[in-house]
Amino acid sequence: QKEVEQNSGPLSVPEGAIASLNCTYSDRGSQSFFWYRQYSGKSPELIMFIYSNGDKEDGRFTAQLNKASQYVSLLIRDSQPSDSATYLCAVISNTGKLIFGQGTTLQVKP
Amino acid sequence: GAVVSQHPSWVICKSGTSVKIECRSLDFQATTMFWYRQFPKQSLMLMATSNEGSKATYEQGVEKDKFLINHASLTLSTLTVTSAHPEDSSFYICSARVSGDYNSPLHFGNGTRLTVT
Repeated sequence: QKEVEQNSGPLSVPEGAIASLNCTYSDRGSQSFFWYRQYSGKSPELIMFIYSNGDKEDGRFTAQLNKASQYVSLLIRDSQPSDSATYLCAVISNTGKLIFGQGTTLQVKP
Repeated sequence: GAVVSQHPSWVICKSGTSVKIECRSLDFQATTMFWYRQFPKQSLMLMATSNEGSKATYEQGVEKDKFLINHASLTLSTLTVTSAHPEDSSFYICSARVSGDYNSPLHFGNGTRLTVT
């Protein structure tokens, strides 16, 4: 079992719709969870981080964490073509290392 | 704030030569930096953790004699790919935390695309 799992996609949504990206992790002791966005050929950029169960909102982005289910999600409201990218879920392991999932490719169609 | 600068952005080298990649934290000090590698259409894989003033910690399967890491100051870590071969061609990315809290986010450099011919 991979430490951090994501559906590779692609996930295709129309412009203006809500994109929902999901991630599961295996280490029940993980405390910190991150979403990064990576455009093709570029390095990852941090979108959001979440530490506590529940929702955390920042503009059009909402991160959701359910530690009991070991599940993290990212919602993007009013999706724009510029949101088209690969979204990487990452989790801090119990050794302090940031472990990435394989990423979900999002395509927002005008 | 939290700018990580990486140089060069891309490099092409011949097989058998060595390449050095620099990673600098521009507006903060980083006692620890992390080096990742990303092959096309794959995720980021942690190669090693660079520790200022001490030896780097390498992940399983990463050859420490091939990927030399030096972290001589609180703002600079270098990765040297020695005797590079075509299979070393990849996207190398460094990262660091602003805070010493290991639960805080990592900030990434812009990456170095290495092509070995």
